[in-house]
Parts: sequence; C-alpha cells; structure tokens
Amino acid sequence: EVQLVESGGGLVQPGGSLRLSCTTSGIIFSVYWMTWVRQAPGKGLEWVANIKEDGTEKNYVDSVKGRFTISRDNAKNSLYLQMSSLRAEDTAVYYCARGTLGGKAVAGLLDYWGQGTLVTVSS
Amino acid sequence: DIVMTQSPDSLAVSLGERATINCKSSQSVLYSSNNKNFLAWYQQKPGQPPKLLIYWASTRESGVPDRFSGSGSGTDFILTISSLQAEDVAIYYCQQYYTTPQTFGQGTKVEIK
Repeated sequence: EVQLVESGGGLVQPGGSLRLSCTTSGIIFSVYWMTWVRQAPGKGLEWVANIKEDGTEKNYVDSVKGRFTISRDNAKNSLYLQMSSLRAEDTAVYYCARGTLGGKAVAGLLDYWGQGTLVTVSS
Repeated sequence: DIVMTQSPDSLAVSLGERATINCKSSQSVLYSSNNKNFLAWYQQKPGQPPKLLIYWASTRESGVPDRFSGSGSGTDFILTISSLQAEDVAIYYCQQYYTTPQTFGQGTKVEIK
C-alpha cells in the first residue's frame, strides 16, 4: 500500500523557519518526481515545488523562491521542504504528492497524496 | 504562468442528475508531438487530500466510477458527472501539468440540491 505521511508542521512566528518531512512507503521512492502542494485555509490548491528523481532538478513557484528549499533523501524514502523567512500568507496545509511514473513530462500529474501537515505563521 | 479558470464556482444538482464543470486554460495545454492534453481533474472531499480522477483530459484513473468523464482539448475542458451521487459532494479542481508551475483552477464546489 502506498503511503505518504507528512510531518513537521506547527505554529511559527513571522520570519521564522520550519522543516517539513514526507516519509513514504510502498513505493520505489527513487524513481518518482515528488511535489509539495499547499492549501490555505478555505482556499484552493497551490503548487509549491517539485524535485527530480535524483534531486538534480528543483522547481519553485515564484512566491517561495529564495525562501523555501525542496530536497530528498532516497536512502530514507523521504522528501523535505525547508521553509524560512515565513510569512502569514504561507499559512496552509502542505501536502506532499507523487508524480506519475514517466519522468519530467508527467512530473506534475499527482497520483498519490499525503494527508497534509498544517503550518500556521502567526505572532 | 498558465492561468486555469473554472466555472461555475459552485453548483447544486439533484441526485441522479448531471453535473458539468468547465475549465479554461490561458494557453493551450495540448502537446502537439503526442497529441495529448496535459490536463487533470482532482476531487477533494472535506478533510481529505485531493484524489486524482482524470488525466490526459479524458482518461479515468483506476477505480474511478464511469459516471465521471472528461472532455475537451487545447484550452477548454469539461468534467461531467453523469448521475450525481451523494458521495460525489466535493470540490473539483482542474490542473495543467504541461509546464511548471503546474497550476490549478480555483475549484468548483458540487452540492446536492
């Protein structure tokens, strides 16, 4: 059974940092692009970042460039999102999701999602 | 960035009736070399993560009931629920995976009339 489990969310002050983790099981993690998607309370879905199977390519939405860093550890079947200089508008549930097998062309087609972890940025 | 616009924002449909959701992209998501539309539909029920329903604009994900269908090409797409069931109450999102950032529509909330 495929499982993606996010952790690391919580309450952080504006300007602070947080590191999210996504631990996977039931998949050969190293052959998939992985993605972070977020959803502000009561709002829609926003693609945040993705990372190539081997970690050599990373892409970010403009609003987080220079503040967030996506990474992965294939030996630990885990995905990470290091978030710094956090702002109130970063408050959201953060989901990790798996891109469909097939490389970069279908990296954005997300076939498995975790349950999400809530990040709240507030003083 | 490609902007995805859904309509309507919400709709209420009687049980057993048809529900239709539209999605328009600001530029074509049809890749000419393979003639595939890089367009997906997701369903999100309250308190749950999104679930992939349809990809390549019209291919149902495994296990998705056949009352769900997708159509369209280029910039205009439709998700149809042919006979609405109570368990279909959810928010539906279209998404283009043609290019990064892989943008979503704002969502359409489907309710029972």
